[in-house]
Amino acid sequence: EAQVTQNPRYLITVTGKKLTVTCSQNMNHEYMSWYRQDPGLGLRQIYYSMNVEVTDKGDVPEGYKVSRKEKRNFPLILESPSPNQTSLYFCASSLDAEETQYFGPGTRLLVL
Amino acid sequence: KNEVEQSPQNLTAQEGEFITINCSYSVGISALHWLQQHPGGGIVSLFMLSSGKKKHGRLIATINIQEKHSSLHITASHPRDSAVYICAVRGSGGGADGLTFGKGTHLIIQP
Repeated sequence: EAQVTQNPRYLITVTGKKLTVTCSQNMNHEYMSWYRQDPGLGLRQIYYSMNVEVTDKGDVPEGYKVSRKEKRNFPLILESPSPNQTSLYFCASSLDAEETQYFGPGTRLLVL
Repeated sequence: KNEVEQSPQNLTAQEGEFITINCSYSVGISALHWLQQHPGGGIVSLFMLSSGKKKHGRLIATINIQEKHSSLHITASHPRDSAVYICAVRGSGGGADGLTFGKGTHLIIQP
């Protein structure tokens, strides 16, 4: 089944404790992206990747890192999480940047 | 940077009604997306448009590039259409531009 998977789905952590949210797709898509969704602000793009080893900042990249060493994986890294990074995170992928995006199920993160 | 406005923010309608959700943006784009977010949180892409009109089942999406405006229509609405509908645009730089999202329209269809 074609899908985008994210892990973990739910995470409670404390300020400063490094964490990684994984994203994987099995559709051989070139384009992958991370978004966060907050009440009243809607969805905002954090980082995106147009292909392996090519990543670029979205609208809200501060406090996040990404890497794209393989086509199928695009992990989101929070080196030192803070409470303002409490949010619902979505990973998405598409054949290329111009095509329909497929979204993962979301990761709900709470930083205490 | 593109500003994306959706209207209405909230819409409650009766089953069977014709629904229209509007999206306007401020700067030229290469593509516009309509997304549906279910009450459980999952997001599904409904349409991607760069011109004209697309139809899928009871859903119709139109875009007017000159007026920088798009509409999403739902015919014969049903309670299972209850969701948040989100408009997103990609700048005219194409893949080099990320997506900018509207804040969404919360639709409730009552039986």
